[in-house]
Amino acid sequence: KAGVTQTPRYLIKTRGQQVTLSCSPISGHRSVSWYQQTPGQGLQFLFEYFSETQRNKGNFPGRFSGRQFSNSRSEMNVSTLELGDSALYLCASSTGTQSLTDTQYFGPGTRLTVL
Amino acid sequence: AQSVSQHNHHVILSEAASLELGCNYSYGGTVNLFWYVQYPGQHLQLLLKYFSGDPLVKGIKGFEAEFIKSKFSFNLRKPSVQWSDTAEYFCAVNAPGTYKYIFGTGTRLKVLA
Repeated sequence: KAGVTQTPRYLIKTRGQQVTLSCSPISGHRSVSWYQQTPGQGLQFLFEYFSETQRNKGNFPGRFSGRQFSNSRSEMNVSTLELGDSALYLCASSTGTQSLTDTQYFGPGTRLTVL
Repeated sequence: AQSVSQHNHHVILSEAASLELGCNYSYGGTVNLFWYVQYPGQHLQLLLKYFSGDPLVKGIKGFEAEFIKSKFSFNLRKPSVQWSDTAEYFCAVNAPGTYKYIFGTGTRLKVLA
């Protein structure tokens, strides 16, 4: 079974630009969660999508947005990039049931550098 | 709001030493608890999880964790670490039905051969 894939793996942007990151979940998984990982801050929850609906979001400014398509693939967009947005962006997929047998599987991440 | 604290940011141990990593959470209701591990160059992966029942949970690679509700703690333990346990460990909490996982800042473990 193929794992969670994220594209691109590395990105370099300048302040003020926008960026779109993509996540393809494991086949059959309908939930995708996004996280921002920075040294010292750990993983911070951005949002979670299930069947194209956002079920929860974290405390990030409106510049961070996301969506999910009917095939469960998800994208996140960051507009008007700031230096502080430099981070590893992780996505995780799961069945979305949050039952005992449900497990989040993480992708390799997209390393975003804002200059 | 939920939060997770991991008090040890860096831990260095010799092989065969015992390990205990602390994790405390802040939330008044029912929670599900998790430990994830990130080995160098690899994806985050689940070590173990607690949903209900026996507060002592066993995971992969000989790890276990104990949920102590009165202390809001979920500490990770391993009786004898190996060099291959060198990794970063993250504790996480989820309130059922919120579809949101809150992670701690992580503990970097280095095991000396």
